Amino acid sequence: SQKIEQNSEALNIQEGKTATLTCNYTNYSPAYLQWYRQDPGRGPVFLLLIRENEKEKRKERLKVTFDTTLKQSLFHITASQPADSATYLCALPMDSSYKLIFGSGTRLLVRP
Amino acid sequence: GAGVSQSPSNKVTEKGKDVELRCDPISGHTALYWYRQRLGQGLEFLIYFQGNSAPDKSGLPSDRFSAERTGESVSTLTIQRTQQEDSAVYLCASSLGPAQETQYFGPGTRLLVL
Repeated sequence: SQKIEQNSEALNIQEGKTATLTCNYTNYSPAYLQWYRQDPGRGPVFLLLIRENEKEKRKERLKVTFDTTLKQSLFHITASQPADSATYLCALPMDSSYKLIFGSGTRLLVRP
Repeated sequence: GAGVSQSPSNKVTEKGKDVELRCDPISGHTALYWYRQRLGQGLEFLIYFQGNSAPDKSGLPSDRFSAERTGESVSTLTIQRTQQEDSAVYLCASSLGPAQETQYFGPGTRLLVL
């Protein structure tokens, strides 16, 4: 079955630097992959979706890449700010449905 | 409201009791999902409703778990004879329809079974 691997260790970076988070999946390549942000005590919030035929997607300071050969997506936050501190979850659809499989998330801490 | 709402926000119950969790999706969203999130872990799919179609219950962990949805509105997740292992955050999400990939999440219900 499909599994998602995200670095369980927190990523601790200085404000202004670029944060790069990794999402690896183990089985079939999904039609798309999503990234969500989750703050403590809250539900996830959708950030970006990238489709299998797209190499890269950008939204303001966010950039996502999707490499179906490596079975990997990278999530970048440029010019990071303390307000970017949160847990970032990678998600992809199970089989051909819209049910999502989520990674356990990577916690990002941006120091002022 | 504009977003997905869930109630209660917190629930503490004794082992063996039944609990009922409620989700109000965004108006007009035909798809509704329930997920479970254990501490420090990712979200685990439980059940999916789409319009008037039969729900996809493939993620329910045991027959103690059930869910209903009235038309395209409120959904309730019921856990019977709760166990300590049921302690988790239960998240509800909705989306515009089956072809819409983006899911909008509620704040979750934090369930603690003593």
